Amino acid sequence: SQQGEEDPQALSIQEGENATMNCSYKTSINNLQWYRQNSGRGLVHLILIRSNEREKHSGRLRVTLDTSKKSSSLLITASRAADTASYFCATVFNTGGFKTIFGAGTRLFVKA
Amino acid sequence: DAGITQSPRHKVTETGTPVTLRCHQTENHRYMYWYRQDPGHGLRLIHYSYGVKDTDKGEVSDGYSVSRSKTEDFLLTLESATSSQTSVYFCAISSGRRQETQYFGPGTRLLVL
Repeated sequence: SQQGEEDPQALSIQEGENATMNCSYKTSINNLQWYRQNSGRGLVHLILIRSNEREKHSGRLRVTLDTSKKSSSLLITASRAADTASYFCATVFNTGGFKTIFGAGTRLFVKA
Repeated sequence: DAGITQSPRHKVTETGTPVTLRCHQTENHRYMYWYRQDPGHGLRLIHYSYGVKDTDKGEVSDGYSVSRSKTEDFLLTLESATSSQTSVYFCAISSGRRQETQYFGPGTRLLVL
């Protein structure tokens, strides 16, 4: 499978702590994206990192990409109860046409 | 939700009946997608469209068909619903080529009895 796989499957932390989620994939990518899904809602795009980038920031989010290890990490700093959601990585690769594969997600629970 | 609506939002149907889900966008985006979301599987692509009347299969297309007669509408049809098609269905759109950000609708929860 060329699917991105998130780790851990679930994560529970206290408000104010940092949350780190990892994504591994198997084939060379064009870019990697992270999405958030609140319960009962659609996915919301958080950040996109291209294969020639190593790190990107957006507010309290920090994404790293290591193409040699075929992995990415999403760090949420100073987490809040409102960050409670599922987080998905999506890998985009070109096999004679671009294809996006979503992982199964990490469920994050931030306790107030 | 980036100008994307899905209808119906909830549906209960019986095995063997046809079902059509509708996705409507007001963003004039070229690409539209249908996914299903099941526990433990993340999102899996059913079909996508890269323009009016231009569609292609995704990884789980068996049992589904799609149509796109207008830029703004993308229909997903289950010709004869089965219990294995019980799922949450999401429509998504993207403006440019397929590698760019996708914007998702609110989802349709389908139960096939």
